[in-house]
Amino acid sequence: KAGVTQTPRYLIKTRGQQVTLSCSPISGHRSVSWYQQTPGQGLQFLFEYFSETQRNKGNFPGRFSGRQFSNSRSEMNVSTLELGDSALYLCASSWGTGGEKLFFGSGTQLSVL
Amino acid sequence: GENVEQHPSTLSVQEGDSAVIKCTYSDSASNYFPWYKQELGKRPQLIIDIRSNVGEKKDQRIAVTLNKTAKHFSLHITETQPEDSAVYFCAAGSGAAGNKLTFGGGTRVLVKP
Repeated sequence: KAGVTQTPRYLIKTRGQQVTLSCSPISGHRSVSWYQQTPGQGLQFLFEYFSETQRNKGNFPGRFSGRQFSNSRSEMNVSTLELGDSALYLCASSWGTGGEKLFFGSGTQLSVL
Repeated sequence: GENVEQHPSTLSVQEGDSAVIKCTYSDSASNYFPWYKQELGKRPQLIIDIRSNVGEKKDQRIAVTLNKTAKHFSLHITETQPEDSAVYFCAAGSGAAGNKLTFGGGTRVLVKP
């Protein structure tokens, strides 16, 4: 069974640009969560999608948004990039019932210059 | 919201010794407590988890204990090996909140041969 796939693996952007990251969950998984990982702040929850609906949202500004498609694939968008958005963005998938094991992708390393 | 504190931030042990990592959480509604291991440049991977209806769980050299009254849980690794060197994250979640996890700050474990 294929694992969680995230593309692209690396991204370099400049301040003010926008970026879209993609996540394909494990087949059959209906929940996709996104996390931001930085050396200083650790792993911070961005949002979770289940059956194309946002089920949870973390404490990030509105520049961070996401969506989920009918095949459970998810995208995350960050608009008006800031230097502080440089981080590893991880997505994780699960079956979706809540309070269950998450399977993480390898992440997208975003660098904002 | 939930807050998870993790200690220590770094831990150096001799091969064969035991390692203990402790976490405390703030939200009494949390009922799911996973531990993730992240090797350098790799994705976080679940190594063990425990639910609030269980006080202890073991899997070979790894064990987790939970004290709901005190709101703390711990990871114990016995007979440490060099391949145990990694960053370990504890997390807390609630099935009622979907799959949102609040992570501790991480513990960098170094096992010296």
